[in-house]
Amino acid sequence: EAQVTQNPRYLITVTGKKLTVTCSQNMNHEYMSWYRQDPGLGLRQIYYSMNVEVTDKGDVPEGYKVSRKEKRNFPLILESPSPNQTSLYFCASGTSGSRPDTQYFGPGTRLTVL
Amino acid sequence: DQQVKQNSPSLSVQEGRISILNCDYTNSMFDYFLWYKKYPAEGPTFLISISSIKDKNEDGRFTVFLNKSAKHLSLHIVPSQPGDSAVYFCAASTFAGAGSYQLTFGKGTKLSVIP
Repeated sequence: EAQVTQNPRYLITVTGKKLTVTCSQNMNHEYMSWYRQDPGLGLRQIYYSMNVEVTDKGDVPEGYKVSRKEKRNFPLILESPSPNQTSLYFCASGTSGSRPDTQYFGPGTRLTVL
Repeated sequence: DQQVKQNSPSLSVQEGRISILNCDYTNSMFDYFLWYKKYPAEGPTFLISISSIKDKNEDGRFTVFLNKSAKHLSLHIVPSQPGDSAVYFCAASTFAGAGSYQLTFGKGTKLSVIP
């Protein structure tokens, strides 16, 4: 089954404790992306990657890091989480160069930073 | 500056009637528009899209209309069904170079279809 998986689905942590949210896709997609969804703000892009070792900032990259060492994985790293990073996070993947309606979303990770 | 606007946070419609969800955009560089549907505890799923060279695209009960001069698009659902109750996101795409694209999302409209 074609899918995007995220782990963990739920996470409660404390300010300053480094964490990683994993994202994996099994569709051999070149393009992967991270979004956050906040009430009243919709979905905002954090980082995206066009292919292995190619990443770029989205609209709200501050406080986040990403890496793309393998095609299927695109982890989101919060080196020193803060309460304003409490949000619902979505990973997505798609085929580069084709229409954007090929983008598939993961189920989401709800992060709470105390 | 919000480039994609969904001014109605919520909409309630009777089952069997038409649901109309609206979206406005400000960036004239957007060339592709999409609607996503999102149920609680799930990621958004693609619903329907339209290229900027068209003014209408239909897929079953779902039709998207694009008015480029007004920078406005709308999603029509006819007839509405209780299973359509979800949050609907409007999104717009620009070509970001080197085969990439970027999606800009609206805030979403929560549709409730009342049986």
